[in-house]
Amino acid sequence: GAGVSQSPRYKVAKRGQDVALRCDPISGHVSLFWYQQALGQGPEFLTYFQNEAQLDKSGLPSDRFFAERPEGSVSTLKIQRTQQEDSAVYLCASSLISGRVGEQFFGPGTRLTVL
Amino acid sequence: AQKVTQAQTEISVVEKEDVTLDCVYETRDTTYYLFWYKQPPSGELVFLIRRNSFDEQNEISGRYSWNFQKSTSSFNFTITASQVVDSAVYFCALSEALDFGNEKLTFGTGTRLTIIP
Repeated sequence: GAGVSQSPRYKVAKRGQDVALRCDPISGHVSLFWYQQALGQGPEFLTYFQNEAQLDKSGLPSDRFFAERPEGSVSTLKIQRTQQEDSAVYLCASSLISGRVGEQFFGPGTRLTVL
Repeated sequence: AQKVTQAQTEISVVEKEDVTLDCVYETRDTTYYLFWYKQPPSGELVFLIRRNSFDEQNEISGRYSWNFQKSTSSFNFTITASQVVDSAVYFCALSEALDFGNEKLTFGTGTRLTIIP
């Protein structure tokens, strides 16, 4: 069906607020990735899910960042007590086959601005 | 640790010229995968190509071609007869796939390509 979708597309938060970013991967895709893209930079890995299991969260910058994928489909990235340095585009990607290095399909991203 | 370097920050060429985007990578593994993605102004990353470390054959797809050279750790991308629609930011990326299923990508900083009509 459709590609990877993310919501909201834009989010403005005041410093200290909590935010939740949603990712709907392509149906049936096993692997799901979150990346953070700062202005003028390439995306940087945050965390990886294989179905509902979070197997790698080595890229999460602090314990204020939390991600979940409870039913192995939709994923939510939550940022608590947002700070200005959290301002970035957050990209979600999914891929069909786990265990093979395949094409990752990216969503349009959520642009987070922390004032 | 793996690293991808795209030394060209911005390139501008006149339409119909050929242009090559450079990518140099570092990895300690013998098995790895290289990618190119295109990010148009809309922001969505578009997959262009995947190449594994055991396949050094160059590849051509229409106006696009890729030159993979392990000896110099480079994976360069050439657009022939450029068009205005090619204007975008292009990212080179690397995956070591060290952990089962975790194909996380390490991206370069990107090259912004502008095609002048």
